[in-house]
Amino acid sequence: DVKVTQSSRYLVKRTGEKVFLECVQDMDHENMFWYRQDPGLGLRLIYFSYDVKMKEKGDIPEGYSVSREKKERFSLILESASTNQTSMYLCASTTGGLAHQETQYFGPGTRLLVL
Amino acid sequence: AQSVTQPDIHITVSEGASLELRCNYSYGATPYLFWYVQSPGQGLQLLLKYFSGDTLVQGIKGFEAEFKRSQSSFNLRKPSVHWSDAAEYFCAVGSPSGGYQKVTFGTGTKLQVIP
Repeated sequence: DVKVTQSSRYLVKRTGEKVFLECVQDMDHENMFWYRQDPGLGLRLIYFSYDVKMKEKGDIPEGYSVSREKKERFSLILESASTNQTSMYLCASTTGGLAHQETQYFGPGTRLLVL
Repeated sequence: AQSVTQPDIHITVSEGASLELRCNYSYGATPYLFWYVQSPGQGLQLLLKYFSGDTLVQGIKGFEAEFKRSQSSFNLRKPSVHWSDAAEYFCAVGSPSGGYQKVTFGTGTKLQVIP
């Protein structure tokens, strides 16, 4: 079974802090994604990565950055956390290349509260 | 741009009753369509997906969905709901974008099951 793990289930941070959310997958997937999930808005793509050290902006990248130094690990960074970044953050991974039929495998999510 | 509409934010059904969750999509070509389920405090799990072929798709946990191109719909159905089906359900549409599959999620439908 594919396993996607996220370093924390719950996080509480203060405004202005630098926040790291970590995601690890164990299936050698090329593609990894970060979404945020808010009530009434569904899932929105923040960033994705299709290879080590490669990244692409999603629909809402402002205020976020990412890092992918190893294939299995994809980090989301909030450079200076703000209260409007309070949300549930979901990581996902898929196999890569141009095969467009991959299922996205999701981690359990990190619920971030910024005070 | 692709989009997904789930018109029902919240649905309540009795255990044993049938279920239909609505999903309408907007996309210029033949879409890739997905239904995911999210149990409380969990990440998303794929229920079923449609890429081509038979328009009636069978999924896990007794769910099925039917792709109707003329109505731009991909409704999810289950003949008899169990209490464990209480969760949030997300419809999603995918399309090739560069070298990966861009997936757009709907805003979700929360299902409550009453005894």
